[in-house]
Amino acid sequence: DAGITQSPRHKVTETGTPVTLRCHQTENHRYMYWYRQDPGHGLRLIHYSYGVKDTDKGEVSDGYSVSRSKTEDFLLTLESATSSQTSVYFCAISESRSAGPYNEQFFGPGTRLTVL
Amino acid sequence: KQEVTQIPAALSVPEGENLVLNCSFTDSAIYNLQWFRQDPGKGLTSLLLIQSSQREQTSGRLNASLDKSSGRSTLYIAASQPGDSATYLCAVFNDYKLSFGAGTTVTVRA
Repeated sequence: DAGITQSPRHKVTETGTPVTLRCHQTENHRYMYWYRQDPGHGLRLIHYSYGVKDTDKGEVSDGYSVSRSKTEDFLLTLESATSSQTSVYFCAISESRSAGPYNEQFFGPGTRLTVL
Repeated sequence: KQEVTQIPAALSVPEGENLVLNCSFTDSAIYNLQWFRQDPGKGLTSLLLIQSSQREQTSGRLNASLDKSSGRSTLYIAASQPGDSATYLCAVFNDYKLSFGAGTTVTVRA
């Protein structure tokens, strides 16, 4: 299994509070992603990173920010959590290679976030 | 916008039967297609990745085909077992991201 951990694994918070989720990898992969998974919407990309300090928005980025100061860590921050951000959040990693699988993504175990 | 559809949404088969899961996508300009398995309350496990230049990929009892021009992929699971019960997700990579289907939930009856 790819070395990806997410913390915390479960969190309950209140509307309006800031929340930070952490993704840590031991694979030294260049690309890291944050997704959310919701019933009826499937998995959707929030933000992704293509290197240290290099990040870009996905399809559902409003209300979220990210930071990547080291190759191994990718942080997702909800500046002021809302009930609509109750979801399961997954981190994923990948590497692009000139030979071999192009951008195969590996997922972490997920963080279940509840915003009351 | 890439749209990925998986049919059927759910499937129940007796043990030993072969499984056929379908995935279709609207934009054929993809780099690759990836099949995942997800168990309840768990993360996604990568099963197979097919590069855009490939027609199929095999791993053990799993075989996935890709017809990029028609926007279709099929995942075959031979001789199904109760342990194969899970949700199977198809995802295509283009325009810097993976786009996922809603999944097919498979139940294999002992």
